[in-house]
Amino acid sequence: AQSVTQPDIHITVSEGASLELRCNYSYGATPYLFWYVQSPGQGLQLLLKYFSGDTLVQGIKGFEAEFKRSQSSFNLRKPSVHWSDAAEYFCAVGEGGNKLVFGAGTILRVKS
Amino acid sequence: GAGVSQSPRYKVAKRGQDVALRCDPISGHVSLFWYQQALGQGPEFLTYFQNEAQLDKSGLPSDRFFAERPEGSVSTLKIQRTQQEDSAVYLCASTLIGGGNTGELFFGEGSRLTVL
Repeated sequence: AQSVTQPDIHITVSEGASLELRCNYSYGATPYLFWYVQSPGQGLQLLLKYFSGDTLVQGIKGFEAEFKRSQSSFNLRKPSVHWSDAAEYFCAVGEGGNKLVFGAGTILRVKS
Repeated sequence: GAGVSQSPRYKVAKRGQDVALRCDPISGHVSLFWYQQALGQGPEFLTYFQNEAQLDKSGLPSDRFFAERPEGSVSTLKIQRTQQEDSAVYLCASTLIGGGNTGELFFGEGSRLTVL
């Protein structure tokens, strides 16, 4: 069965610093991979997705992620974090029919 | 509507009570999903509808959980004889097409259920 591991429960970065959130997956075939963000009191919002092709994908809000098959990873990055990026971030792998398996999430705190 | 709407946003139930959670997806969206998110965890799949057909209910934790979407739009998740372990946020999501791993699920804000 598919699974997703997000090793970091909490991460704190300074505003303006770079960010990398880690995600490792377990999946037998070519994975469909996603990053979602959940802000307090709001629904999950899709940041970006990888299906095939270029392994570096760009998303909304200045985020990008790189698919590395050899490492079974799909890490999320942002060059310069803004205070409004504070939220919880979920990595997910897609099974058939849009069914998603989510990781446990990483809470991002931004300090000024 | 503009987004996925869920009600109630908050529900407190006594153990043993039945609860019903409603989801109103984005108009025209074919597929509808229910997920359960326990405290400190990621969402976990419960069930999936394509129009009015429930195509996958493999994630429903017990026969106390029941979901329906009789007219292919609004869906209701019903939990009978609630238990404390049912306390969680129940998320509804919809997507325009039926299947295909697009991953572009649009989520509602969730219904937070607390069972005392």
